[in-house]
Amino acid sequence: LAKTTQPISMDSYEGQEVNITCSHNNIATNDYITWYQQFPSQGPRFIIQGYKTKVTNEVASLFIPADRKSSTLSLPRVSLSDTAVYYCLVAEGTGGFKTIFGAGTRLFVKA
Amino acid sequence: NAGVTQTPKFQVLKTGQSMTLQCAQDMNHEYMSWYRQDPGMGLRLIHYSVGAGITDQGEVPNGYNVSRSTTEDFPLRLLSAAPSQTSVYFCASSYSWGQGTEAFFGQGTRLTVV
Repeated sequence: LAKTTQPISMDSYEGQEVNITCSHNNIATNDYITWYQQFPSQGPRFIIQGYKTKVTNEVASLFIPADRKSSTLSLPRVSLSDTAVYYCLVAEGTGGFKTIFGAGTRLFVKA
Repeated sequence: NAGVTQTPKFQVLKTGQSMTLQCAQDMNHEYMSWYRQDPGMGLRLIHYSVGAGITDQGEVPNGYNVSRSTTEDFPLRLLSAAPSQTSVYFCASSYSWGQGTEAFFGQGTRLTVV
């Protein structure tokens, strides 16, 4: 299973765009890149998943370069409620049943 | 549709006691897993199952047993609780593992072993 590296923490202000980058140098051909969000005292929640190029949904965008050795989660115009831990996962499929979570990135959104 | 339900939400055990953490999902998902999360850390995979009757070990299986007799339920059993097992435990399920699917997590069980 591919190991991921993310910043430990990030600060932002309300209304700003936040980009969190994840490194996964040994990603395998069959691996997908998935991001989860976790609030205190709650289980992680799926945000977005991609294999290559760009994926966008109502919550976030995911940018994946051609070599797939890194990925960037982009959160547009964050609010205080986006304060959470964000996990980057690399696994064959979305995982959830056989996935290694790293320590994640703690995002603090300030007013 | 309740999703993934974990019981109990909180539990205090004495060292050496055994107990079972319950996990049930009503989404007919084949894939289920158990994680533990220690303070300030990410989730570590304990055991997982790809269907009824099929289980396998994750990163940190020692001290835990699982069984999967039905699609809906995936209980986690602590054989002889130790203070090192103090943690928050999360159960997750997904209907597949391919592109476009997602894993659903329960609200967690906070376990303290004294």
